Amino acid sequence: AQSVAQPEDQVNVAEGNPLTVKCTYSVSGNPYLFWYVQYPNRGLQFLLKYITGDNLVKGSYGFEAEFNKSQTSFHLKKPSALVSDSALYFCAVRDGGAGSYQLTFGKGTKLSVIP
Amino acid sequence: GAGVSQTPSNKVTEKGKYVELRCDPISGHTALYWYRQSLGQGPEFLIYFQGTGAADDSGLPNDRFFAVRPEGSVSTLKIQRTERGDSAVYLCASSLTPASGNEQFFGPGTRLTVL
Repeated sequence: AQSVAQPEDQVNVAEGNPLTVKCTYSVSGNPYLFWYVQYPNRGLQFLLKYITGDNLVKGSYGFEAEFNKSQTSFHLKKPSALVSDSALYFCAVRDGGAGSYQLTFGKGTKLSVIP
Repeated sequence: GAGVSQTPSNKVTEKGKYVELRCDPISGHTALYWYRQSLGQGPEFLIYFQGTGAADDSGLPNDRFFAVRPEGSVSTLKIQRTERGDSAVYLCASSLTPASGNEQFFGPGTRLTVL
């Protein structure tokens, strides 16, 4: 079984400040980890992924995430938040060693960037 | 290029009726996925197709739900005898292949409301 926890329903950050959206996961095999963003009335947009290699992954719109195997975490970060980053963020995991390719998502974290 | 498209964008139906939701994946993507997103939750996996065949239907909640992909491109999710609890946003995603951690690209979703 695989699962994702996003412990914060909402994160508020001032524009220009660094932001972190937390994610922890549980999976039997090798974790394939993803971050998606959802804007109101729009579909999920892919931000970045970790499959293997460097623990620090860089993605779209200046976002990055750090894979930490010992803490089973994959936190999303950005050095300087923009008001336009305000959206709903989802972390997802897939078992890279299993035969199924379904993603398991967290409940989402609403990010509000305050001007 | 064109992304994943879903029709209709909204569907309102009465309890007990039959509905069909359509997904048109990105051209050349062999893998297609259906998810369901309830209010305040992350997407939940329903079914995954590799080509024309359903490779994993473990997420379908019961036998009222069925999906097809007869020519390996467009897919239709079919719900019989709809119930109020089926109300949700139904998301379709596609990926180039399911392997190598390829990210899934999501459509805008179909919002189903069962009265």
